[in-house]
Amino acid sequence: EIVMTQSPVTLSVSPGERATLSCRASQSVSSNLVWYQQKPGQAPRLLIYGASTRATGLPARFSGSGSGTEFTLNISSLQSEDFAVYYCQQYNNWPRTFGQGTKLEIK
Amino acid sequence: EVQLLESGGGLVQPGVSLRLSCAASGFTFSSYAMSWVRQAPGKGLEWVSSIGVSGGAAFYADSVKGRFSISRDNSKNTLYLQMNSLRAEDTAIYYCAKGAYNYFDSWGLGTLVTVSS
Repeated sequence: EIVMTQSPVTLSVSPGERATLSCRASQSVSSNLVWYQQKPGQAPRLLIYGASTRATGLPARFSGSGSGTEFTLNISSLQSEDFAVYYCQQYNNWPRTFGQGTKLEIK
Repeated sequence: EVQLLESGGGLVQPGVSLRLSCAASGFTFSSYAMSWVRQAPGKGLEWVSSIGVSGGAAFYADSVKGRFSISRDNSKNTLYLQMNSLRAEDTAIYYCAKGAYNYFDSWGLGTLVTVSS
């Protein structure tokens, strides 16, 4: 099983600033990496797939990068609606595995 | 617009069975693999099971293998999860998700399953 490790667990950032979230895979997942956003009481929402492709309608302030075992989600100029929990997930191997999540909170 | 509506959750005692359903609309259900993902209270996401378009291929997390069974009825646009021998650690919100062989591009609102005596 591929273990996905996200860091940091909690990230405190001020609105308008940039947030950088990391995700590491225990073995290569190529570019088969996706990012989701989840707000309290809501289902997860697809943000980025293929490590760097934005989902339809996602603002350009969200960007993903990386391949192999190291991945990054960047959110430039944070808006109030961006504060949420973010999960990475690999779809290179079965079982599909998620990171434990990074909570992005308002500083 | 894709819509996924889960049902069938509830409070059950350990050891009993429960069947979840997911009614799909807004897309050609029979053309997409489907999955179940769960989230224990206050915890992260855990993939549970996925099924291919025809139902012939199914995949399970080790934590549910042998106890849970995924199926689909393409004529009814409905996905199912039969859960047997439920345990306290199966307590979670169960989400139906579109996709399996790659990412989950749409999610339902979830149905809560609580296993407690």
